[in-house]
Amino acid sequence: ELKVEQNPLFLSMQEGKNYTIYCNYSTTSDRLYWYRQDPGKSLESLFVLLSNGAVKQEGRLMASLDTKARLSTLHITAAVHDLSATYFCAVSRDSNYQLIWGAGTKLIIKP
Amino acid sequence: DAGVTQSPTHLIKTRGQQVTLRCSPKSGHDTVSWYQQALGQGPQFIFQYYEEEERQRGNFPDRFSGHQFPNYSSELNVNALLLGDSALYLCASSLYGSGGPDYGYTFGSGTRLTVV
Repeated sequence: ELKVEQNPLFLSMQEGKNYTIYCNYSTTSDRLYWYRQDPGKSLESLFVLLSNGAVKQEGRLMASLDTKARLSTLHITAAVHDLSATYFCAVSRDSNYQLIWGAGTKLIIKP
Repeated sequence: DAGVTQSPTHLIKTRGQQVTLRCSPKSGHDTVSWYQQALGQGPQFIFQYYEEEERQRGNFPDRFSGHQFPNYSSELNVNALLLGDSALYLCASSLYGSGGPDYGYTFGSGTRLTVV
């Protein structure tokens, strides 16, 4: 059974600091997704990682994938308040398979 | 280019009633998946429709059923509502078997269902 664990589940940090969110999954997966969700809103796609060693960056967010360790990280550089949200990782066996989600990391960035 | 459209946005129902939620996929997408997201949790997969057939199903009872129409839009039906069915219901569209740049799923804004 494919399972996904995220940690931490809650993170409060100061603006300007760096931090990393971790996403572990239990069995072989074809692709890994990172999504952002603001309170009461839907899910916004951030990154899709398809291969071992993949690294993608958008602004202050950088995601990486290590398929051998079954681990993905979402790194936040010099955090700003606008990045406050809940971040989810999800994995899928292939392009058509259902997404299996982590519990989410609630990120609060204080001015 | 319209994204995924869901209706209604909010709904309040009484235990035992039935509800129908609707979803129009993003232009160019042919596959619709439905997810249930309880407050403070990650989404849970309900089922996926492609070519008007249910292709995959998560661990949800038969009270949850769906349909896909020839124009790729979809409905989620829930019968005999329970208090525990209160959640945000999300529809995601995608292109089946996509090997191109559009790897991700596009989510709608969701329908917030409250069962009282």
